[in-house]
Amino acid sequence: QKEVEQDPGPLSVPEGAIVSLNCTYSNSAFQYFMWYRQYSRKGPELLMYTYSSGNKEDGRFTAQVDKSSKYISLFIRDSQPSDSATYLCAIGMGNQFYFGTGTSLTVIP
Amino acid sequence: DSGVTQTPKHLITATGQRVTLRCSPRSGDLSVYWYQQSLDQGLQFLIQYYNGEERAKGNILERFSAQQFPDLHSELNLSSLELGDSALYFCASSPRGARTGELFFGEGSRLTVL
Repeated sequence: QKEVEQDPGPLSVPEGAIVSLNCTYSNSAFQYFMWYRQYSRKGPELLMYTYSSGNKEDGRFTAQVDKSSKYISLFIRDSQPSDSATYLCAIGMGNQFYFGTGTSLTVIP
Repeated sequence: DSGVTQTPKHLITATGQRVTLRCSPRSGDLSVYWYQQSLDQGLQFLIQYYNGEERAKGNILERFSAQQFPDLHSELNLSSLELGDSALYFCASSPRGARTGELFFGEGSRLTVL
């Protein structure tokens, strides 16, 4: 079983839509929960991270963690064409980090 | 620009060959991570070094090896290459003592094995 499973997508939404991206993980020992964004032909860049259950907001982005269900989500409000990218969830403990396979998002103007 | 530099950006080679990928971490970052990204497997953790010492090992094949030098740059050596080794190889660095998952990735080295 993989440490983290991510809904594969791809997702295609109209500009302005709310986007929901989801992952589940297997081990309750994981401590950090992250979302990375990867544009085509670029390396992933950290978008958000959190340690605890609950919501963390940063502008149009909200990361949600439910440790009891081992479920993490990223919500994007008022999606923009510039949000078109692959989004990777990641979980970590200690020095080790595991990434989901990524969800490709296209926001159509 | 993340500050992490990877060379070469693209590499085409034949099966059975050996290649070396190079990574320079962000200034001041002591940790270097290597990841392999392929379409079907996503980002797979290979190995981590901290200040010259191996700290963690993931799904790294025995044909692959890595090291981190005193100037903190790192090299990933891939030998006896197979078609299935074709992938994007990313290096990432993290700030000293960071445990937040804040990895800064380079732009990757795209390896094609023919």
